[in-house]
Amino acid sequence: SQQGEEDPQALSIQEGENATMNCSYKTSINNLQWYRQNSGRGLVHLILIRSNEREKHSGRLRVTLDTSKKSSSLLITASRAADTASYFCATEETGGFKTIFGAGTRLFVKA
Amino acid sequence: NAGVTQTPKFQVLKTGQSMTLQCAQDMNHNSMYWYRQDPGMGLRLIYYSASEGTTDKGEVPNGYNVSRLNKREFSLRLESAAPSQTSVYFCASSETGPTAEQYFGPGTRLTVT
Repeated sequence: SQQGEEDPQALSIQEGENATMNCSYKTSINNLQWYRQNSGRGLVHLILIRSNEREKHSGRLRVTLDTSKKSSSLLITASRAADTASYFCATEETGGFKTIFGAGTRLFVKA
Repeated sequence: NAGVTQTPKFQVLKTGQSMTLQCAQDMNHNSMYWYRQDPGMGLRLIYYSASEGTTDKGEVPNGYNVSRLNKREFSLRLESAAPSQTSVYFCASSETGPTAEQYFGPGTRLTVT
């Protein structure tokens, strides 16, 4: 079973717009990570947020975590065509070792 | 540094054939992982190795075996391939457990006919 589920499944925006993706999960977690996957490539780590953090920034990325709602969001500001990719959230359950990935959001940024 | 390398990049097998997917990392990471990715789905963990000398089952281990040959190398073996194992396989490594950032290889696209 998948721990994290992203929403929406697909998102198409214009260059310069902001893109928001959401992730929901089911159990208590130690941390939540976001990864990007370009077509036909491996995943690349973007950002990690720990369960005791509420918000984290990295460049044009902003991640929030609401443990009471068991959800996280990834905001990409001023999107670029190069941001076109699939984005996955991944969670590590409390007391567990395994990272569980969601099904991903496919983002398409039109130039 | 090459990071995480995987061989082969592509493979076609007939049902019942066996093969080994190779993975190596040059970052001196302790933990290594094998995932499979099916269309429209996220990655599912097949096996992982928390440290050299240890391996454990992940979410979908049936039909697979692994070997942590040394700290650098972690191989995945399909003893008798089945069409349900058609997938893209990714190897990853991290410094210590999954809390740390995982570095992924480029993937192996496997088709079983």
